[in-house]
Amino acid sequence: EVQLVESGGGLVQPGGSLRLSCAASGFTFSSYAITWVRQPPGKGLEWVSVISGSGGTTNYADSVKGRFTISRDNSNNILYLQMNSLRAEDTALYYCARGKVVVTAAPLGYWGQGTLVTVSS
Amino acid sequence: DIVMTQSPDSLAVSLGERATINCKSSQSVLYNSNNKNYLAWYQQKPGQPPKLLIYWASTRESGVPDRFSGSGSGTDFTLTISSLQAEDVAVYYCQQYYITPPFTFGQGTKLEIK
Repeated sequence: EVQLVESGGGLVQPGGSLRLSCAASGFTFSSYAITWVRQPPGKGLEWVSVISGSGGTTNYADSVKGRFTISRDNSNNILYLQMNSLRAEDTALYYCARGKVVVTAAPLGYWGQGTLVTVSS
Repeated sequence: DIVMTQSPDSLAVSLGERATINCKSSQSVLYNSNNKNYLAWYQQKPGQPPKLLIYWASTRESGVPDRFSGSGSGTDFTLTISSLQAEDVAVYYCQQYYITPPFTFGQGTKLEIK
């Protein structure tokens, strides 16, 4: 069974940093691109970033480019999102999600439960 | 970036009646090389992560009831629930995953019972 479990969320001051993790199991982790999607409280979904299976290709939404870094540890089946220079508008529930197929351009068939990031002083 | 626009923002439908949600992309998401539309629909219930319903614009995900169907091509797409059930109350999102990121979502459509 495919499982994705996010962790690392919490309360952080504006300008601060946080690293999210997504532990994966139930599939060959290194074969699949993995995506971060976020959802501000009471609002819609926002695509954030994706990393290829090998980790060699990464893409970001304009809203986080230059501040967030996606990476992965294929030896330990963990995805990361390093978030720097955090702003109030980064407050959201952060989901990791896996595509139905291995390529990056794929519908997101598996989702974690999310981890909440709150940016506030 | 491709902008996805859903209509309406909210919708109230009687039980057993048809519900229709529209999604329009700012550019075509039809890839001519394989004739596939890179468009997915998700359902999100309160307190839950999104659930994939439809992909390639019209392919139903395994386990999704056949009252859910997707249609459209190019820039205009529709999610139809043929006979609304109480458990279908949710927010529905379209998403394009056309070739190169970012893979943007629509703003969502909230579906309620009338």
